[in-house]
Amino acid sequence: AQSVTQLGSHVSVSEGALVLLRCNYSSSVPPYLFWYVQYPNQGLQLLLKYTSAATLVKGINGFEAEFKKSETSFHLTKPSAHMSDAAEYFCAVSPLGFGNEKLTFGTGTRLTIIP
Amino acid sequence: KAGVTQTPRYLIKTRGQQVTLSCSPISGHRSVSWYQQTPGQGLQFLFEYFSETQRNKGNFPGRFSGRQFSNSRSEMNVSTLELGDSALYLCASSPLQVNTEAFFGQGTRLTVV
Repeated sequence: AQSVTQLGSHVSVSEGALVLLRCNYSSSVPPYLFWYVQYPNQGLQLLLKYTSAATLVKGINGFEAEFKKSETSFHLTKPSAHMSDAAEYFCAVSPLGFGNEKLTFGTGTRLTIIP
Repeated sequence: KAGVTQTPRYLIKTRGQQVTLSCSPISGHRSVSWYQQTPGQGLQFLFEYFSETQRNKGNFPGRFSGRQFSNSRSEMNVSTLELGDSALYLCASSPLQVNTEAFFGQGTRLTVV
């Protein structure tokens, strides 16, 4: 079964600093990969997705992620953190094709921004 | 374009009761998935419906069930509620299949007392 591992359940960065949230997937075949953000008492909002096109994926709010097959990684980055980025971030994986249409989520990383 | 609407937003039920949650997907979307989110287990897949048919089911007991109507609206039902069913239940809407893009509602917060 496919899975994702998010390293670091809590990450703190200073406002204006680089944000790096780590995600590694396990799959023999590169799957679809996603990053979602969740604000308190809200649902999940899609930040970006990798669906086997470009390996560097740009998303909303200045976030981007790079798919690295050799490292089975899909880390999320943002050059300069903003206070509004404080939230919980989830990496998710889904297999290619039809027949198993579901998302498997990582355990999440809570991002705190230090003023 | 309206987003995914889940009702109600908050619900308090007593152990042993049953509950029905509703999800209206984005207009034109035919796939609806349900997820349970708890602090201990994280986000877990419940089931997925497409054109009124359940295509996938997660590892949850039979007390958890769902259905989808011809207008793509979906409901999930939990019978004989247990304290451990307290969670945020999230619905996701996709045009055809979730592994292309899924849009989530704000969720229904269920508390079982």
